[in-house]
Amino acid sequence: DAGVTQSPTHLIKTRGQQVTLRCSPISGHKSVSWYQQVLGQGPQFIFQYYEKEERGRGNFPDRFSARQFPNYSSELNVNALLLGDSALYLCASSLQGSYGYTFGSGTRLTVV
Amino acid sequence: KQEVTQIPAALSVPEGENLVLNCSFTDSAIYNLQWFRQDPGKGLTSLLLIQSSQREQTSGRLNASLDKSSGRSTLYIAASQPGDSATYLCAVTPAGGSYIPTFGRGTSLIVHP
Repeated sequence: DAGVTQSPTHLIKTRGQQVTLRCSPISGHKSVSWYQQVLGQGPQFIFQYYEKEERGRGNFPDRFSARQFPNYSSELNVNALLLGDSALYLCASSLQGSYGYTFGSGTRLTVV
Repeated sequence: KQEVTQIPAALSVPEGENLVLNCSFTDSAIYNLQWFRQDPGKGLTSLLLIQSSQREQTSGRLNASLDKSSGRSTLYIAASQPGDSATYLCAVTPAGGSYIPTFGRGTSLIVHP
């Protein structure tokens, strides 16, 4: 059974560019969450979607947006990239939050 | 606002030692607490999930306890091995329906041969 898959695994972007990160949840999981993790810190919550509706948004600027598709996969978009957006972006899926979360391997974004 | 603190931030032990990692949280109204392992540059691997009604969970050499009233959880690792070297994170999911967990900053563990 496939786990949570994220793509791409690594990418390098230039300041001001836009990026799209993708996540496919575990089959049957309807909830997808996105986290940003800077080196040495714990993951910081960005968005949560459940049944294609946004259920939560963390303290991130409007340059960050996301959506969930009918098949429950999700995309995270970041516009007007800043150097400070360089981080590991993690996606997690869950049946419901009460059952705990399963994380993907992450996308390492480097902004130069 | 829930705050999660993990102590110590870093730990270095010789192989074979039993060790305890600590996680404390400020709001005891939680749904569950989950312990994760993270290898450098990688995603998070779930180790143990403790529901708020439970006191502990065990998996192999790992045992996690939860004291909701005092806002504490411990992860006990028995007979540590070099392969246990990683960062260990705890995440607390609040009660009340949002199901959005808050993470600690983690404990970086090195087990040397």
